[in-house]
Amino acid sequence: GQNIDQPTEMTATEGAIVQINCTYQTSGFNGLFWYQQHAGEAPTFLSYNVLDGLEEKGRFSSFLSRSKGYSYLLLKELQMKDSASYLCAVMDSNYQLIWGAGTKLIIKP
Amino acid sequence: GAVVSQHPSWVICKSGTSVKIECRSLDFQATTMFWYRQFPKQSLMLMATSNEGSKATYEQGVEKDKFLINHASLTLSTLTVTSAHPEDSSFYICSAMPLGSDINEQFFGPGTRLTVL
Repeated sequence: GQNIDQPTEMTATEGAIVQINCTYQTSGFNGLFWYQQHAGEAPTFLSYNVLDGLEEKGRFSSFLSRSKGYSYLLLKELQMKDSASYLCAVMDSNYQLIWGAGTKLIIKP
Repeated sequence: GAVVSQHPSWVICKSGTSVKIECRSLDFQATTMFWYRQFPKQSLMLMATSNEGSKATYEQGVEKDKFLINHASLTLSTLTVTSAHPEDSSFYICSAMPLGSDINEQFFGPGTRLTVL
């Protein structure tokens, strides 16, 4: 079966750095997405990785290792507004998104 | 760019009635739109994939006669929850994939919170 694993909840301090991991087992791979979702709102796109390596976009970076079925989202200089759920999703061979359950990130002052 | 709207943003209805939710891509065309449902503290659950001009593809366990999907144009898809019951209360979110997208990115609407009394 297809499976996406990510931690349920993480806590970090304002100004610090946090890494959210995601491991996956899917039938085929056509890219990995990270989305941010604030409570009661729809997800917003953060990043996309299809090749191995690190993609940097401002304070957020995303890494992918296809051989290990592994990705992480790195958030630097954490701000209170970064408190949200972070969803990892993999596009399988049918171009369908398989979603993780999300990681709730709590930022403390 | 790439804005998706949903209407209504929230709706309360009586059990047994039907509710229609609209999903529009405002500044791009989308041959494919997706309908998701999300229960509290759970991940997104794909209900169906909607393709313009053809029948929607429903995920296993989703009743196509209860959740009617119409994708009449490249910018509009509708989801109708027929004979709604309290267990249908949820957060319904649509997403749209831009025509000709390089990475098949999905842009999400703001969601519709449905409460069935």
